[in-house]
Amino acid sequence: SAVISQKPSRDICQRGTSLTIQCQVDSQVTMMFWYRQQPGQSLTLIATANQGSEATYESGFVIDKFPISRPNLTFSTLTVSNMSPEDSSIYLCSAPGGGTDTQYFGPGTRLTVL
Amino acid sequence: EDKVVQSPLSLVVHEGDTVTLNCSYEVTNFRSLLWYKQEKKAPTFLFMLTSSGIEKKSGRLSSILDKKELFSILNITATQTGDSAIYLCAVGGSSNTGKLIFGQGTTLQVKP
Repeated sequence: SAVISQKPSRDICQRGTSLTIQCQVDSQVTMMFWYRQQPGQSLTLIATANQGSEATYESGFVIDKFPISRPNLTFSTLTVSNMSPEDSSIYLCSAPGGGTDTQYFGPGTRLTVL
Repeated sequence: EDKVVQSPLSLVVHEGDTVTLNCSYEVTNFRSLLWYKQEKKAPTFLFMLTSSGIEKKSGRLSSILDKKELFSILNITATQTGDSAIYLCAVGGSSNTGKLIFGQGTTLQVKP
């Protein structure tokens, strides 16, 4: 399995500001994933963070709003830019362990935008 | 479009009951089906299923996959209040991307 840490665990932000979420994995992985879980909803993939190349974004998510960095094989950041109340969600990072499809999740970041 | 559908969306039972959660899918290039338990924020991994008819078991939880009928079930026997959580089904498809498509989740509440 993979052990994943995330910070901050929660934050309350003002509209129009940006927040950067950090994700650290305890082993080297090629792909890391960022998900969003809006209140009462399931998980939606935002993007795949690939080391050494640009992140791959899912339909409905754009780099200007959710820039991602992947400086090495154990670390990634997701920035939520120019936030609005609609961005209030839990943001989760994940990485594979023990096989490509078995993804393990970080503890999540609960973001509230006022 | 790939999709994963879980049922029921919510369920209330009493301790000691047995529950069956369902997950059906339509995914291109199916690779695997995974079950997660989400109590607060982070989903915790329960099972990964890749082959039909082979039951995975962990304590009171078990799961099986039917690739012909495109569904999976998660059984929990002798439920306890600690089983109260959201149970998520996810399917990996489109080979080599590692992407998971999640269902809506089933919210299980176990009453004492």
